[in-house]
Amino acid sequence: NAGVTQTPKFQVLKTGQSMTLQCAQDMNHNSMYWYRQDPGMGLRLIYYSASEGTTDKGEVPNGYNVSRLNKREFSLRLESAAPSQTSVYFCASRPSGGTEAFFGQGTRLTVV
Amino acid sequence: TQLLEQSPQFLSIQEGENLTVYCNSSSVFSSLQWYRQEPGEGPVLLVTVVTGGEVKKLKRLTFQFGDARKDSSLHITAAQPGDTGLYLCAGVSGGSYIPTFGRGTSLIVHP
Repeated sequence: NAGVTQTPKFQVLKTGQSMTLQCAQDMNHNSMYWYRQDPGMGLRLIYYSASEGTTDKGEVPNGYNVSRLNKREFSLRLESAAPSQTSVYFCASRPSGGTEAFFGQGTRLTVV
Repeated sequence: TQLLEQSPQFLSIQEGENLTVYCNSSSVFSSLQWYRQEPGEGPVLLVTVVTGGEVKKLKRLTFQFGDARKDSSLHITAAQPGDTGLYLCAGVSGGSYIPTFGRGTSLIVHP
Protein backbone atom coordinates (compact mmCIF):
# COMPACT_ATOMS: atom_id res chain seq x y z
CA ASN A 1 0.00 0.00 0.00
CA ALA A 2 1.74 3.16 -1.21
CA GLY A 3 -0.45 5.68 0.66
CA VAL A 4 0.51 9.22 -0.35
CA THR A 5 3.29 9.50 -2.94
CA GLN A 6 5.09 12.75 -3.70
CA THR A 7 7.48 13.43 -6.55
CA PRO A 8 10.16 14.59 -6.76
CA LYS A 9 11.81 14.08 -3.35
CA PHE A 10 14.43 16.77 -3.95
CA GLN A 11 14.59 19.72 -6.35
CA VAL A 12 16.82 22.74 -6.87
CA LEU A 13 15.41 25.63 -8.88
CA LYS A 14 16.79 28.94 -10.01
CA THR A 15 14.86 32.08 -9.14
CA GLY A 16 12.13 32.63 -11.71
CA GLN A 17 11.88 29.01 -12.85
CA SER A 18 8.60 27.14 -12.66
CA MET A 19 7.83 23.63 -11.56
CA THR A 20 5.00 21.36 -10.47
CA LEU A 21 5.08 19.16 -7.40
CA GLN A 22 3.08 15.99 -7.86
CA CYS A 23 1.02 14.16 -5.25
CA ALA A 24 -1.07 11.01 -5.60
CA GLN A 25 -2.94 8.93 -3.04
CA ASP A 26 -4.33 5.45 -3.47
CA MET A 27 -6.62 5.39 -0.42
CA ASN A 28 -9.71 6.81 -2.14
CA HIS A 29 -9.66 9.86 0.14
CA ASN A 30 -11.80 12.86 -0.73
CA SER A 31 -9.75 15.63 0.88
CA MET A 32 -6.18 16.54 0.00
CA TYR A 33 -3.83 19.22 1.33
CA TRP A 34 -0.56 20.95 0.57
CA TYR A 35 1.54 22.19 3.49
CA ARG A 36 4.97 23.78 3.69
CA GLN A 37 7.30 23.20 6.63
CA ASP A 38 9.99 25.69 7.57
CA PRO A 39 12.34 25.47 10.58
CA GLY A 40 10.59 26.62 13.74
CA MET A 41 7.32 27.28 11.89
CA GLY A 42 5.57 23.94 11.98
CA LEU A 43 3.31 23.07 9.05
CA ARG A 44 1.44 25.84 7.27
CA LEU A 45 -1.43 25.16 4.90
CA ILE A 46 -0.96 26.40 1.33
CA TYR A 47 -4.06 25.03 -0.43
CA TYR A 48 -6.56 22.28 0.13
CA SER A 49 -9.15 20.39 -1.83
CA ALA A 50 -12.22 19.12 0.01
CA SER A 51 -13.29 16.99 -2.93
CA GLU A 52 -12.57 16.40 -6.59
CA GLY A 53 -13.18 19.60 -8.54
CA THR A 54 -12.83 22.02 -5.61
CA THR A 55 -9.81 23.88 -4.26
CA ASP A 56 -9.45 26.58 -1.60
CA LYS A 57 -6.70 28.81 -0.29
CA GLY A 58 -5.03 28.10 3.01
CA GLU A 59 -2.87 30.29 5.22
CA VAL A 60 0.01 30.94 2.76
CA PRO A 61 -1.28 30.63 -0.86
CA ASN A 62 0.65 33.50 -2.51
CA GLY A 63 2.99 32.34 -5.26
CA TYR A 64 1.31 28.95 -5.67
CA ASN A 65 -1.44 27.37 -7.73
CA VAL A 66 -3.02 23.95 -7.43
CA SER A 67 -4.92 21.49 -9.58
CA ARG A 68 -7.10 18.64 -8.37
CA LEU A 69 -6.71 16.57 -11.50
CA ASN A 70 -8.91 13.73 -10.29
CA LYS A 71 -9.70 12.08 -6.97
CA ARG A 72 -6.20 10.61 -6.69
CA GLU A 73 -4.00 13.51 -7.73
CA PHE A 74 -3.42 17.01 -6.34
CA SER A 75 -0.55 19.03 -7.81
CA LEU A 76 1.12 22.22 -6.58
CA ARG A 77 2.64 24.64 -9.09
CA LEU A 78 5.18 27.37 -8.56
CA GLU A 79 4.95 29.70 -11.56
CA SER A 80 8.01 31.84 -10.75
CA ALA A 81 10.04 30.42 -7.92
CA ALA A 82 11.51 32.74 -5.28
CA PRO A 83 14.12 32.02 -2.57
CA SER A 84 11.36 32.52 0.05
CA GLN A 85 9.75 29.37 -1.33
CA THR A 86 12.70 27.25 -0.23
CA SER A 87 11.02 24.76 2.07
CA VAL A 88 9.90 21.19 2.56
CA TYR A 89 6.51 20.59 0.98
CA PHE A 90 4.12 17.94 2.25
CA CYS A 91 1.02 16.59 0.62
CA ALA A 92 -1.62 14.93 2.79
CA SER A 93 -4.99 13.27 2.34
CA ARG A 94 -7.95 12.56 4.64
CA PRO A 95 -10.89 10.20 4.30
CA SER A 96 -14.47 11.46 4.49
CA GLY A 97 -15.68 11.50 8.06
CA GLY A 98 -12.20 10.95 9.47
CA THR A 99 -9.87 13.46 11.08
CA GLU A 100 -6.51 11.74 10.57
CA ALA A 101 -4.33 13.24 7.85
CA PHE A 102 -1.99 10.86 6.02
CA PHE A 103 1.19 12.50 4.81
CA GLY A 104 3.62 11.84 2.01
CA GLN A 105 7.37 11.83 2.57
CA GLY A 106 7.80 15.40 1.41
CA THR A 107 9.60 17.30 -1.34
CA ARG A 108 12.65 19.29 -0.30
CA LEU A 109 12.81 22.35 -2.58
CA THR A 110 15.68 24.80 -2.73
CA VAL A 111 15.41 28.00 -4.77
CA VAL A 112 18.72 29.71 -5.47
CA THR B 1 -1.07 33.22 12.34
CA GLN B 2 -0.21 30.32 14.62
CA LEU B 3 -3.30 29.46 16.64
CA LEU B 4 -1.53 26.71 18.56
CA GLU B 5 1.46 27.44 20.79
CA GLN B 6 3.70 24.52 21.68
CA SER B 7 6.25 24.47 24.46
CA PRO B 8 9.03 23.83 24.86
CA GLN B 9 10.37 24.26 21.33
CA PHE B 10 13.39 22.05 22.03
CA LEU B 11 13.98 19.34 24.61
CA SER B 12 17.20 17.34 25.12
CA ILE B 13 17.05 14.71 27.85
CA GLN B 14 18.68 11.49 29.02
CA GLU B 15 17.17 8.07 28.55
CA GLY B 16 14.85 7.21 31.42
CA GLU B 17 13.72 10.78 32.17
CA ASN B 18 10.10 11.90 32.04
CA LEU B 19 8.91 14.88 30.01
CA THR B 20 5.79 16.86 29.19
CA VAL B 21 5.04 18.84 26.04
CA TYR B 22 2.28 21.45 26.03
CA CYS B 23 -0.03 22.70 23.32
CA ASN B 24 -2.08 25.82 24.10
CA SER B 25 -4.59 27.94 22.22
CA SER B 26 -7.16 30.65 22.79
CA SER B 27 -9.47 28.82 20.36
CA VAL B 28 -11.77 25.93 21.06
CA PHE B 29 -11.19 22.85 18.95
CA SER B 30 -13.56 20.02 18.17
CA SER B 31 -10.62 17.65 18.32
CA LEU B 32 -6.90 17.80 18.84
CA GLN B 33 -4.28 15.53 17.37
CA TRP B 34 -0.67 14.70 18.14
CA TYR B 35 1.68 13.70 15.35
CA ARG B 36 5.28 12.50 15.45
CA GLN B 37 7.69 13.24 12.63
CA GLU B 38 11.07 11.62 12.05
CA PRO B 39 13.79 13.25 9.91
CA GLY B 40 13.08 12.93 6.19
CA GLU B 41 9.56 11.64 6.76
CA GLY B 42 6.06 13.06 6.93
CA PRO B 43 4.17 13.36 10.23
CA VAL B 44 2.40 10.25 11.50
CA LEU B 45 -0.66 10.43 13.73
CA LEU B 46 -0.21 9.25 17.33
CA VAL B 47 -3.62 10.06 18.80
CA THR B 48 -6.80 12.10 18.43
CA VAL B 49 -8.62 13.44 21.49
CA VAL B 50 -12.15 14.76 21.11
CA THR B 51 -13.75 15.13 24.56
CA GLY B 52 -12.83 17.81 27.09
CA GLY B 53 -10.88 16.21 29.95
CA GLU B 54 -10.15 13.11 27.93
CA VAL B 55 -7.01 11.14 28.73
CA LYS B 56 -5.55 8.58 26.33
CA LYS B 57 -2.58 6.33 26.87
CA LEU B 58 -0.36 4.82 24.22
CA LYS B 59 2.23 2.64 26.00
CA ARG B 60 4.53 5.19 27.72
CA LEU B 61 2.77 8.19 26.18
CA THR B 62 -0.15 9.89 27.94
CA PHE B 63 -2.25 12.50 26.13
CA GLN B 64 -4.69 14.85 27.81
CA PHE B 65 -7.25 17.24 26.32
CA GLY B 66 -8.13 20.23 28.49
CA ASP B 67 -11.62 20.56 29.92
CA ALA B 68 -12.31 23.62 27.76
CA ARG B 69 -10.87 21.90 24.65
CA LYS B 70 -8.32 24.70 24.18
CA ASP B 71 -5.17 22.93 25.28
CA SER B 72 -3.49 19.55 25.44
CA SER B 73 -0.44 17.88 26.86
CA LEU B 74 1.73 14.93 25.94
CA HIS B 75 3.61 13.18 28.75
CA ILE B 76 6.30 10.58 28.06
CA THR B 77 7.39 8.31 30.88
CA ALA B 78 10.91 6.85 30.92
CA ALA B 79 11.90 8.28 27.54
CA GLN B 80 13.90 6.12 25.17
CA PRO B 81 16.17 7.08 22.24
CA GLY B 82 13.49 5.76 19.90
CA ASP B 83 11.20 8.58 21.10
CA THR B 84 13.48 11.12 19.41
CA GLY B 85 11.60 13.20 16.85
CA LEU B 86 9.45 16.25 16.22
CA TYR B 87 6.12 16.22 18.05
CA LEU B 88 3.37 18.31 16.49
CA CYS B 89 -0.04 19.11 17.84
CA ALA B 90 -2.85 19.93 15.44
CA GLY B 91 -6.28 21.35 16.16
CA VAL B 92 -9.38 20.69 14.11
CA SER B 93 -12.24 23.21 14.31
CA GLY B 94 -15.90 22.60 13.62
CA GLY B 95 -16.70 20.91 10.34
CA SER B 96 -13.64 22.11 8.43
CA TYR B 97 -11.55 19.02 9.22
CA ILE B 98 -8.49 21.03 8.28
CA PRO B 99 -5.70 20.40 10.81
CA THR B 100 -3.97 23.56 12.02
CA PHE B 101 -0.53 22.76 13.32
CA GLY B 102 1.60 24.13 16.12
CA ARG B 103 5.30 24.86 15.54
CA GLY B 104 6.38 21.55 17.05
CA THR B 105 8.61 20.32 19.86
CA SER B 106 11.92 18.79 18.84
CA LEU B 107 12.83 16.01 21.28
CA ILE B 108 16.23 14.34 21.53
CA VAL B 109 16.68 11.45 23.94
CA HIS B 110 20.31 10.57 24.62
CA PRO B 111 21.30 6.97 25.47
